[in-house]
Amino acid sequence: DAGVIQSPRHEVTEMGQEVTLRCKPISGHDYLFWYRQTMMRGLELLIYFNNNVPIDDSGMPEDRFSAKMPNASFSTLKIQPSEPRDSAVYFCASSWAGVGYGYTFGSGTRLTVV
Amino acid sequence: RKEVEQDPGPFNVPEGATVAFNCTYSNSASQSFFWYRQDCRKEPKLLMSVYSSGNEDGRFTAQLNRASQYISLLIRDSKLSDSATYLCVVSSGSARQLTFGSGTQLTVLP
Repeated sequence: DAGVIQSPRHEVTEMGQEVTLRCKPISGHDYLFWYRQTMMRGLELLIYFNNNVPIDDSGMPEDRFSAKMPNASFSTLKIQPSEPRDSAVYFCASSWAGVGYGYTFGSGTRLTVV
Repeated sequence: RKEVEQDPGPFNVPEGATVAFNCTYSNSASQSFFWYRQDCRKEPKLLMSVYSSGNEDGRFTAQLNRASQYISLLIRDSKLSDSATYLCVVSSGSARQLTFGSGTQLTVLP
């Protein structure tokens, strides 16, 4: 299995631009999670999906952030408009449904907003 | 109070040393517990699950104390390659939502 695949690996954009991050979970995993990691705040859960349905988006910082999962093999996290404080590493992770399974993370997207 | 608390370190230990990390969690209803490892500029990777009876994987031993809501990780005979940040992870809220501690940084010195 190729694991969780994220793209792009790095993104540098100007303030105000739209940014779209992409994720392909492991085939067969029922859950997909989007996390953000910064030095100051560590790993923060933004949103997660179960069978393509958003379950909890309480971690999404504000309306500028949105996430979709149109099918079991693809999800996007969009920031519009982007701001310098959005600079972070964004991780996607997926998991099976049972309690006791850990998450498998993608390699992350390192976002820099200038 | 944070849901998962860890000593941030850093822990700097010589090769061959034994080092222990501790973690406390606040949600008494938590059911699943893990230790993850994160190398610099990489993604977190599952190191091991933590079971009530305690479990061992080679040089690594994990312990869980539900009464005290405390988890530990012991690394014996530490190697240079063990240098990383170790994240304590606990299920919270829904059974599938995991909360990550802020991590403990370990550097093993030659």
